[in-house]
Amino acid sequence: QKEVEQNSGPLSVPEGAIASLNCTYSDRGSQSFFWYRQYSGKSPELIMFIYSNGDKEDGRFTAQLNKASQYVSLLIRDSQPSDSATYLCAVMGGSYIPTFGRGTSLIVHP
Amino acid sequence: EPEVTQTPSHQVTQMGQEVILRCVPISNHLYFYWYRQILGQKVEFLVSFYNNEISEKSEIFDDQFSVERPDGSNFTLKIRSTKLEDSAMYFCAGPPSSGQETQYFGPGTRLLVL
Repeated sequence: QKEVEQNSGPLSVPEGAIASLNCTYSDRGSQSFFWYRQYSGKSPELIMFIYSNGDKEDGRFTAQLNKASQYVSLLIRDSQPSDSATYLCAVMGGSYIPTFGRGTSLIVHP
Repeated sequence: EPEVTQTPSHQVTQMGQEVILRCVPISNHLYFYWYRQILGQKVEFLVSFYNNEISEKSEIFDDQFSVERPDGSNFTLKIRSTKLEDSAMYFCAGPPSSGQETQYFGPGTRLLVL
């Protein structure tokens, strides 16, 4: 059984702070890693994807991958109230079928 | 961001009835996915469709479910005899172009089975 674990939160950060979201996965054969943002009642929206160990930056978002530790994280710099949402981690192996975590609820308060 | 559309946005049905959910994926897709998300729970893979055939399916995708591409562009997910536990959001998704692993989700259909 492939598992993707996320702290359900809520993670509460003040506006302008860095939000750090974490995800661990069980399948060592996982190759592709995704972060989605999901507002309440809406569909998941792809934010970042990462395939290689290390950091990948896109605007205010940085994805970090450590395959040895089976750990992937998402940093959101200069957090805004509009970033308040549930963040889903998804992991994909060679089957091209993603396994999703339950998501971490992020609250950015003014 | 490429657009995937789904209809209807909401569907209410009685237990035991058949429902058909529709999706228009990004044009010229070969790969296509259906997911469901029960309220408050994680997104779950149902089935993937490649080049007009089912590629993979999960344990959830039992004989009650079927997926078709009736006219070469739209995809449909049919639930033959709905159960209360089928109440969920149903999403279709696909990559922006062939060979890519990223997936863009449609807006979803909220299905409520009474």
